[in-house]
Amino acid sequence: DTEVTQTPKHLVMGMTNKKSLKCEQHMGHRAMYWYKQKAKKPPELMFVYSYEKLSINESVPSRFSPECPNSSLLNLHLHALQPEDSALYLCASSQPKGTKGNTIYFGEGSWLTVV
Amino acid sequence: AQSVTQPDIHITVSEGASLELRCNYSYGATPYLFWYVQSPGQGLQLLLKYFSGDTLVQGIKGFEAEFKRSQSSFNLRKPSVHWSDAAEYFCAVGASGTYKYIFGTGTRLKVLA
Repeated sequence: DTEVTQTPKHLVMGMTNKKSLKCEQHMGHRAMYWYKQKAKKPPELMFVYSYEKLSINESVPSRFSPECPNSSLLNLHLHALQPEDSALYLCASSQPKGTKGNTIYFGEGSWLTVV
Repeated sequence: AQSVTQPDIHITVSEGASLELRCNYSYGATPYLFWYVQSPGQGLQLLLKYFSGDTLVQGIKGFEAEFKRSQSSFNLRKPSVHWSDAAEYFCAVGASGTYKYIFGTGTRLKVLA
């Protein structure tokens, strides 16, 4: 069983809606990630938070806004999305960079459909 | 350039047959190597990982992988495949000093009854 939990599992939203994806990890990790995965493709890194600070933004459009309220919670705020943003959004966590044998653990994902 | 190659997009095996999924990497630093499995509609589950030491690593669900530095490979094996192993398998490479792990394009495994 994964110790990275994501809600909701499915989300359908219109292009003018504002919604959020939520993630919680119970592994004591200090780094959290958002990935986007299209069908039959590997996950693509979007954001990384390290010690609750944004460490990496892979040039993601501003209609995606991440937030890390504390070390165990990660949100992804969605606004004015496009149909091509429909995908599986994966949250993940790991120990901080520099940890020997650092491993990324994934949640079950949130399926987003933009209509 | 850093990369991970999974040469086989699709593999089909009969239930009970052995399995080998290939992974080759190109990475400047000492790599950490991983295999993840993704069942339809699910997230990525870690199967096994290699950091150092014994080059043959055991994972969950009866999988093992062997690190061969000379061949820059980290192939995944299972002696007898079960129907429930049908899924997408991703090889990934990372390192201690980065959050940007590199994923291969995946191999989709189909298991025939």
